[in-house]
Amino acid sequence: NAGVTQTPKFRILKIGQSMTLQCTQDMNHNYMYWYRQDPGMGLKLIYYSVGAGITDKGEVPNGYNVSRSTTEDFPLRLELAAPSQTSVYFCASSYPRQGENQPQHFGDGTRLSIL
Amino acid sequence: GQSLEQPSEVTAVEGAIVQINCTYQTSGFYGLSWYQQHDGGAPTFLSYNALDGLEETGRFSSFLSRSDSYGYLLLQELQMKDSASYFCAVRGDSSYKLIFGSGTRLLVRP
Repeated sequence: NAGVTQTPKFRILKIGQSMTLQCTQDMNHNYMYWYRQDPGMGLKLIYYSVGAGITDKGEVPNGYNVSRSTTEDFPLRLELAAPSQTSVYFCASSYPRQGENQPQHFGDGTRLSIL
Repeated sequence: GQSLEQPSEVTAVEGAIVQINCTYQTSGFYGLSWYQQHDGGAPTFLSYNALDGLEETGRFSSFLSRSDSYGYLLLQELQMKDSASYFCAVRGDSSYKLIFGSGTRLLVRP
């Protein structure tokens, strides 16, 4: 199993450009998440999905969009890149177990710079 | 709102024991998790507590007191490879969303 795979690993964008960060998982996990991590900080939830066709906003959704057409894929789109979106982006997935631990499995991250 | 507090940095000597504390404020509570992240790497799951008490996994243990909204991660027999950032995370108002603390950077010295 590859786990959670994110592409690209690194990217430099100009202000105003758009791009899609790709995330795919092969663990058949229903739940998927997008986080951003600024230097020296914790992870902030951008968007999450509890299954194909269902997405919802997290703590910091402004400037981002997501879609979930399949169980495996959960792409994150930046429409108009801004310097404040310079960050490391992590995708994660987990398996729903009511009342039990649901460890999140993270991809290796995408390091994004907006110049 | 929801918030978690943990120390920003801890330094310890190889072979020693270190405790990383976490206090939380959430509208609901489903469990407290701990994640480890090495520099440049992805977070990896370490431990989870839903009920009060101590959970032990090898050299790592995690404790929870729901009445005090408090937990800690205990690392024993510290090794150089334990130098990393450690994050507490709470499943608060939702059973599947995690809210992360800002992380504690642990430096293990020889």
